[in-house]
Amino acid sequence: GAGVSQSPSNKVTEKGKDVELRCDPISGHTALYWYRQRLGQGLEFLIYFQGNSAPDKSGLPSDRFSAERTGESVSTLTIQRTQQEDSAVYLCASSAQGQVGQPQHFGDGTRLSIL
Amino acid sequence: AQSVAQPEDQVNVAEGNPLTVKCTYSVSGNPYLFWYVQYPNRGLQFLLKYITGDNLVKGSYGFEAEFNKSQTSFHLKKPSALVSDSALYFCAVRDRGGGNKLTFGTGTQLKVEL
Repeated sequence: GAGVSQSPSNKVTEKGKDVELRCDPISGHTALYWYRQRLGQGLEFLIYFQGNSAPDKSGLPSDRFSAERTGESVSTLTIQRTQQEDSAVYLCASSAQGQVGQPQHFGDGTRLSIL
Repeated sequence: AQSVAQPEDQVNVAEGNPLTVKCTYSVSGNPYLFWYVQYPNRGLQFLLKYITGDNLVKGSYGFEAEFNKSQTSFHLKKPSALVSDSALYFCAVRDRGGGNKLTFGTGTQLKVEL
Protein backbone atom coordinates (compact mmCIF):
# COMPACT_ATOMS: atom_id res chain seq x y z
CA GLY A 1 0.00 0.00 0.00
CA ALA A 2 0.94 3.63 -0.10
CA GLY A 3 1.77 3.90 3.57
CA VAL A 4 2.01 2.00 6.83
CA SER A 5 -1.38 0.73 7.89
CA GLN A 6 -2.33 -0.16 11.45
CA SER A 7 -5.45 -1.80 12.80
CA PRO A 8 -7.55 -1.34 14.73
CA SER A 9 -7.27 2.43 15.00
CA ASN A 10 -8.87 2.31 18.43
CA LYS A 11 -9.19 -0.53 20.92
CA VAL A 12 -10.95 -0.45 24.27
CA THR A 13 -10.69 -3.53 26.43
CA GLU A 14 -10.98 -4.64 30.00
CA LYS A 15 -8.03 -5.16 32.27
CA GLY A 16 -6.77 -8.71 32.07
CA LYS A 17 -7.80 -9.33 28.46
CA ASP A 18 -5.34 -10.06 25.67
CA VAL A 19 -5.07 -7.73 22.67
CA GLU A 20 -3.51 -8.02 19.23
CA LEU A 21 -2.40 -5.02 17.23
CA ARG A 22 -1.62 -5.32 13.55
CA CYS A 23 0.80 -3.47 11.31
CA ASP A 24 1.07 -3.62 7.52
CA PRO A 25 4.33 -1.96 6.47
CA ILE A 26 5.10 -0.26 3.20
CA SER A 27 5.58 -2.90 0.54
CA GLY A 28 9.23 -3.85 0.18
CA HIS A 29 10.34 -2.36 3.48
CA THR A 30 12.42 -4.97 5.25
CA ALA A 31 12.72 -3.16 8.58
CA LEU A 32 9.76 -2.79 10.93
CA TYR A 33 9.58 -1.10 14.31
CA TRP A 34 7.06 -0.86 17.14
CA TYR A 35 6.95 2.12 19.49
CA ARG A 36 4.70 3.12 22.36
CA GLN A 37 3.57 6.68 22.97
CA ARG A 38 2.06 7.45 26.32
CA LEU A 39 -0.07 10.57 26.73
CA GLY A 40 2.10 13.67 26.69
CA GLN A 41 5.32 11.73 26.28
CA GLY A 42 7.76 10.84 23.57
CA LEU A 43 8.03 7.53 21.82
CA GLU A 44 9.45 4.47 23.55
CA PHE A 45 11.09 1.86 21.34
CA LEU A 46 9.65 -1.62 21.80
CA ILE A 47 11.04 -3.96 19.14
CA TYR A 48 12.75 -3.98 15.75
CA PHE A 49 12.37 -6.56 12.97
CA GLN A 50 14.74 -7.10 10.09
CA GLY A 51 12.85 -9.43 7.79
CA ASN A 52 11.09 -11.88 10.06
CA SER A 53 13.76 -11.81 12.74
CA ALA A 54 13.84 -9.52 15.75
CA PRO A 55 17.46 -8.62 16.51
CA ASP A 56 16.44 -6.01 19.07
CA LYS A 57 13.66 -6.69 21.55
CA SER A 58 15.20 -4.58 24.25
CA GLY A 59 12.24 -2.22 24.62
CA LEU A 60 9.55 -4.79 25.39
CA PRO A 61 8.50 -3.79 28.92
CA SER A 62 7.56 -7.23 30.23
CA ASP A 63 6.98 -10.82 29.17
CA ARG A 64 3.34 -9.93 28.64
CA PHE A 65 4.45 -8.22 25.42
CA SER A 66 5.39 -10.18 22.33
CA ALA A 67 5.56 -9.56 18.61
CA GLU A 68 6.00 -11.53 15.46
CA ARG A 69 6.38 -10.85 11.78
CA THR A 70 5.62 -13.18 8.92
CA GLY A 71 6.35 -13.12 5.21
CA GLU A 72 8.61 -10.14 5.76
CA SER A 73 5.38 -8.18 5.84
CA VAL A 74 2.63 -8.05 8.44
CA SER A 75 3.54 -7.78 12.11
CA THR A 76 1.41 -8.41 15.16
CA LEU A 77 2.08 -7.00 18.63
CA THR A 78 0.35 -8.99 21.36
CA ILE A 79 -0.21 -7.83 24.90
CA GLN A 80 -1.39 -10.49 27.31
CA ARG A 81 -3.26 -9.86 30.55
CA THR A 82 -3.48 -6.15 29.86
CA GLN A 83 -2.95 -3.66 32.65
CA GLN A 84 -4.09 -0.06 32.88
CA GLU A 85 -0.53 1.17 32.42
CA ASP A 86 -0.58 -0.42 28.96
CA SER A 87 -2.95 2.34 27.82
CA ALA A 88 -1.12 4.25 25.11
CA VAL A 89 -0.86 4.77 21.38
CA TYR A 90 1.11 1.98 19.74
CA LEU A 91 2.90 3.13 16.61
CA CYS A 92 4.42 0.99 13.90
CA ALA A 93 7.04 2.19 11.44
CA SER A 94 8.87 0.67 8.51
CA SER A 95 11.94 1.59 6.54
CA ALA A 96 13.86 0.43 3.53
CA GLN A 97 17.32 -0.98 4.02
CA GLY A 98 20.37 -0.71 1.89
CA GLN A 99 20.89 3.02 2.08
CA VAL A 100 22.43 4.86 4.96
CA GLY A 101 20.05 6.70 7.25
CA GLN A 102 16.75 5.63 5.73
CA PRO A 103 13.91 7.44 7.55
CA GLN A 104 11.22 5.47 9.28
CA HIS A 105 7.68 5.87 7.97
CA PHE A 106 4.95 5.71 10.59
CA GLY A 107 1.39 4.49 10.64
CA ASP A 108 -1.33 6.44 12.43
CA GLY A 109 -1.17 4.13 15.42
CA THR A 110 -3.57 2.10 17.52
CA ARG A 111 -4.98 3.93 20.51
CA LEU A 112 -5.33 1.33 23.24
CA SER A 113 -7.45 2.03 26.31
CA ILE A 114 -7.56 -0.41 29.20
CA LEU A 115 -10.56 -0.01 31.47
CA ALA B 1 23.43 5.11 25.64
CA GLN B 2 22.07 7.63 23.19
CA SER B 3 19.69 10.36 24.28
CA VAL B 4 17.87 13.39 22.93
CA ALA B 5 16.74 16.49 24.79
CA GLN B 6 14.10 18.94 23.69
CA PRO B 7 14.26 21.59 26.39
CA GLU B 8 11.02 23.36 25.49
CA ASP B 9 7.66 21.70 26.01
CA GLN B 10 5.98 24.45 23.99
CA VAL B 11 7.03 27.18 21.60
CA ASN B 12 4.70 30.01 20.64
CA VAL B 13 5.35 32.19 17.61
CA ALA B 14 3.38 34.66 15.54
CA GLU B 15 2.58 33.78 11.95
CA GLY B 16 5.19 35.19 9.61
CA ASN B 17 7.91 35.21 12.24
CA PRO B 18 10.86 32.82 12.21
CA LEU B 19 10.66 29.77 14.43
CA THR B 20 13.24 27.60 16.16
CA VAL B 21 12.62 24.31 17.94
CA LYS B 22 15.64 23.19 19.93
CA CYS B 23 17.22 19.75 20.12
CA THR B 24 20.44 18.48 21.66
CA TYR B 25 21.70 14.92 21.52
CA SER B 26 24.17 12.54 23.07
CA VAL B 27 25.61 9.55 21.22
CA SER B 28 28.89 7.76 20.91
CA GLY B 29 30.46 8.81 17.66
CA ASN B 30 28.71 10.59 14.83
CA PRO B 31 24.93 10.47 14.77
CA TYR B 32 22.13 10.19 12.31
CA LEU B 33 19.62 12.91 13.27
CA PHE B 34 15.97 13.27 12.31
CA TRP B 35 13.03 15.59 12.78
CA TYR B 36 9.45 14.36 12.69
CA VAL B 37 6.13 16.18 13.03
CA GLN B 38 2.94 14.77 14.53
CA TYR B 39 -0.54 16.17 13.93
CA PRO B 40 -3.39 15.22 16.29
CA ASN B 41 -4.42 11.58 16.09
CA ARG B 42 -1.86 10.87 13.39
CA GLY B 43 1.46 9.10 13.18
CA LEU B 44 4.76 10.84 12.79
CA GLN B 45 5.72 12.39 9.48
CA PHE B 46 9.36 12.63 8.44
CA LEU B 47 10.60 16.20 7.92
CA LEU B 48 14.35 15.98 7.39
CA LYS B 49 17.53 14.18 8.35
CA TYR B 50 21.23 14.77 8.82
CA ILE B 51 23.56 11.97 7.84
CA THR B 52 26.72 13.69 6.66
CA GLY B 53 27.80 16.67 4.58
CA ASP B 54 26.46 20.20 4.85
CA ASN B 55 25.51 21.23 8.34
CA LEU B 56 22.37 22.99 7.09
CA VAL B 57 19.78 20.46 6.01
CA LYS B 58 16.63 21.41 4.10
CA GLY B 59 13.46 19.40 4.41
CA SER B 60 9.75 19.35 3.78
CA TYR B 61 7.35 22.30 4.08
CA GLY B 62 10.14 24.90 4.19
CA PHE B 63 11.76 23.52 7.33
CA GLU B 64 15.50 23.30 7.79
CA ALA B 65 17.83 22.22 10.56
CA GLU B 66 21.36 23.07 11.49
CA PHE B 67 23.73 20.41 12.74
CA ASN B 68 26.30 21.73 15.20
CA LYS B 69 28.77 19.09 16.25
CA SER B 70 30.56 21.16 18.88
CA GLN B 71 27.30 22.00 20.61
CA THR B 72 25.75 18.59 19.88
CA SER B 73 22.64 20.35 18.65
CA PHE B 74 20.25 19.94 15.74
CA HIS B 75 17.77 22.81 15.98
CA LEU B 76 14.78 22.94 13.64
CA LYS B 77 14.09 26.25 11.94
CA LYS B 78 11.73 27.91 9.53
CA PRO B 79 12.09 31.48 8.26
CA SER B 80 8.38 32.30 8.26
CA ALA B 81 5.91 30.31 10.37
CA LEU B 82 2.39 29.38 9.27
CA VAL B 83 -0.62 28.63 11.44
CA SER B 84 -0.72 25.22 9.77
CA ASP B 85 2.74 24.47 11.20
CA SER B 86 1.14 24.13 14.63
CA ALA B 87 1.86 20.55 15.70
CA LEU B 88 4.05 18.39 17.91
CA TYR B 89 7.67 18.13 16.78
CA PHE B 90 10.05 15.32 17.70
CA CYS B 91 13.79 15.18 17.33
CA ALA B 92 15.35 11.71 17.09
CA VAL B 93 18.81 10.19 16.92
CA ARG B 94 20.12 6.90 15.66
CA ASP B 95 23.49 5.72 16.76
CA ARG B 96 25.66 4.82 13.77
CA GLY B 97 27.45 2.27 15.84
CA GLY B 98 24.76 -0.27 16.28
CA GLY B 99 21.08 -1.01 16.19
CA ASN B 100 18.45 0.62 14.10
CA LYS B 101 16.14 2.02 16.70
CA LEU B 102 15.50 5.70 17.00
CA THR B 103 15.68 7.45 20.34
CA PHE B 104 13.18 10.30 20.48
CA GLY B 105 12.99 13.47 22.48
CA THR B 106 9.87 14.19 24.49
CA GLY B 107 8.50 16.51 21.84
CA THR B 108 7.88 20.24 21.51
CA GLN B 109 4.41 21.59 20.90
CA LEU B 110 4.59 24.42 18.37
CA LYS B 111 1.76 26.92 18.38
CA VAL B 112 1.64 29.50 15.61
CA GLU B 113 -0.83 32.31 16.19
CA LEU B 114 -2.27 34.94 13.90
